Amino acid sequence: QKEVEQDPGPLSVPEGAIVSLNCTYSNSAFQYFMWYRQYSRKGPELLMYTYSSGNKEDGRFTAQVDKSSKYISLFIRDSQPSDSATYLCAMSLISSGSARQLTFGSGTQLTVLP
Amino acid sequence: EAQVTQNPRYLITVTGKKLTVTCSQNMNHEYMSWYRQDPGLGLRQIYYSMNVEVTDKGDVPEGYKVSRKEKRNFPLILESPSPNQTSLYFCASRTTDTQYFGPGTRLTVL
Repeated sequence: QKEVEQDPGPLSVPEGAIVSLNCTYSNSAFQYFMWYRQYSRKGPELLMYTYSSGNKEDGRFTAQVDKSSKYISLFIRDSQPSDSATYLCAMSLISSGSARQLTFGSGTQLTVLP
Repeated sequence: EAQVTQNPRYLITVTGKKLTVTCSQNMNHEYMSWYRQDPGLGLRQIYYSMNVEVTDKGDVPEGYKVSRKEKRNFPLILESPSPNQTSLYFCASRTTDTQYFGPGTRLTVL
């Protein structure tokens, strides 16, 4: 069993829809949670990160962490065609300091149709 | 402009021929990593470095070497490449809250 599970999709939604992307994990020691966006033929870029359970909002993006269920989500409101990309969740054991070993999900491919 | 550069971007080689993929960052970050990305497996960390001369194994270090002699550079070395190392490789550097990935190196080992 992988430490981090992510539905690979593909997920296709109409423009303006609310998108929900999810990851589950098995290691309860994970403390630091991130979401990355990867456009085709590009390196991943960090979208959001959070240390704690609850919600964190940044513009149209909301990251949600439920440590009791070992489940994290990324919500995208008012989705745009420019949001079409692969979304990767990532997590690590260490919540502070500069040395982190990250474990990634396999990514969910999202297409937002105009 | 803050960036991570990798070279080469594309490489086709043969089994057993030593190769090095270079990585350089211009942000004075202490922490750097190498990842490989394979379909269905996502990004897997190969090695990471917390600072000059400080490196540690990630999830899939077998068949790879790294060195960190300068803060800005973190080359990935394949001493004897094999076909199962055909993959897309990313170098990354980070601060506490921000991580930058390079553009990727697509390696094919025949």
